[in-house]
Amino acid sequence: NAGVTQTPKFRILKIGQSMTLQCTQDMNHNYMYWYRQDPGMGLKLIYYSVGAGITDKGEVPNGYNVSRSTTEDFPLRLELAAPSQTSVYFCASRRTGEGTDTQYFGPGTRLTVL
Amino acid sequence: GEDVEQSLFLSVREGDSSVINCTYTDSSSTYLYWYKQEPGAGLQLLTYIFSNMDMKQDQRLTVLLNKKDKHLSLRIADTQTGDSAIYFCAESPSTSLKLIFGTGTRLQVFP
Repeated sequence: NAGVTQTPKFRILKIGQSMTLQCTQDMNHNYMYWYRQDPGMGLKLIYYSVGAGITDKGEVPNGYNVSRSTTEDFPLRLELAAPSQTSVYFCASRRTGEGTDTQYFGPGTRLTVL
Repeated sequence: GEDVEQSLFLSVREGDSSVINCTYTDSSSTYLYWYKQEPGAGLQLLTYIFSNMDMKQDQRLTVLLNKKDKHLSLRIADTQTGDSAIYFCAESPSTSLKLIFGTGTRLQVFP
């Protein structure tokens, strides 16, 4: 299993540009999450999904959109990039059941908005 | 409310034990976790403990859970320079589908 993969690893955007951060997992997990991590800070939840076709807002959803058309993919869309969205973005999937509840993280996408 | 607190920094000498502490607020949390983040990398699950346990040991790692005080700790025995990283505590409230993360403790190991 590749686990959770994210692309791109790095990106620089200009204010007002749009982009999609890709996230894919091959573990057949129903739950997936997007977090952002600002410098020196913990993780803040942007959006999450409990299965294909179902998404919900986290703590900091403004300025972002998500979709979940398949179990494997959970892309995060930034429509009008702002400097406040400069951060490292982590995608995660979650395995539950059989006495376990574990989140697996991707390597992250480092985004800079200038 | 949902809030997981950790101290920001810990500095230890190589070979000593490290103890990283965490307090959480949701007594319904079924699992509590410790994640490690090395520079420029994602979060790696180190260990987790089920809420009906007091202690879990895994090689150099010992997790202690005090449910009465909502206190979680991670002890790393014989700390090595490769243990230098940020350690995040997280809780999994039974009423939520989300993990609640602390702000992370930066562990620095010096020779």
